[in-house]
Amino acid sequence: RKEVEQDPGPFNVPEGATVAFNCTYSNSASQSFFWYRQDCRKEPKLLMSVYSSGNEDGRFTAQLNRASQYISLLIRDSKLSDSATYLCVVRLNTGGFKTIFGAGTRLFVKA
Amino acid sequence: DGGITQSPKYLFRKEGQNVTLSCEQNLNHDAMYWYRQDPGQGLRLIYYSQIVNDFQKGDIAEGYSVSREKKESFPLTVTSAQKNPTAFYLCASTSRRGQLDTQYFGPGTRLTVL
Repeated sequence: RKEVEQDPGPFNVPEGATVAFNCTYSNSASQSFFWYRQDCRKEPKLLMSVYSSGNEDGRFTAQLNRASQYISLLIRDSKLSDSATYLCVVRLNTGGFKTIFGAGTRLFVKA
Repeated sequence: DGGITQSPKYLFRKEGQNVTLSCEQNLNHDAMYWYRQDPGQGLRLIYYSQIVNDFQKGDIAEGYSVSREKKESFPLTVTSAQKNPTAFYLCASTSRRGQLDTQYFGPGTRLTVL
């Protein structure tokens, strides 16, 4: 079983739609959680950190459920420019810090 | 502008050749990392360095080597011992060693073995 699992997609949605991505992690030593965005053939860029109480940044909302070891990202009112791959990232504290990247979920937003 | 630069952007290598990928940062970050990305897979850690003159193997270090002689620079050599080197290579850095800081990535080097 992969340490961080995501639905690879692709998700094809029309502009204005709401889309949700899920991510599960297997290691209970996971301490910090992030969503990164990666455009085609580009480097990943931080979208937002994920806090236990949930957090929102404009059209983006991230949720964390430690009991279920589950993270989500909700995008409201999708824009064409949201088309990208979204990476779920988990940082473990196992004596040293280790970062685990999910394989990503591809999103296509169409006019 | 502060940031991470990687060169070259594209690199072609013949089988049996060693190649070196450059990574430079002017963010004054202590920790630097090398990842490899293959289609449909998450980033996998090759090597990391938390301080000058010190580095550690990641999950897939075989066939790779690094050096950290300067804080700003963390070059990666892909040796002929790496059996499947064609991939997208990403360099990253964080400001504190192993702490909960965000990783910032360079633009990547796409290596193709001919």
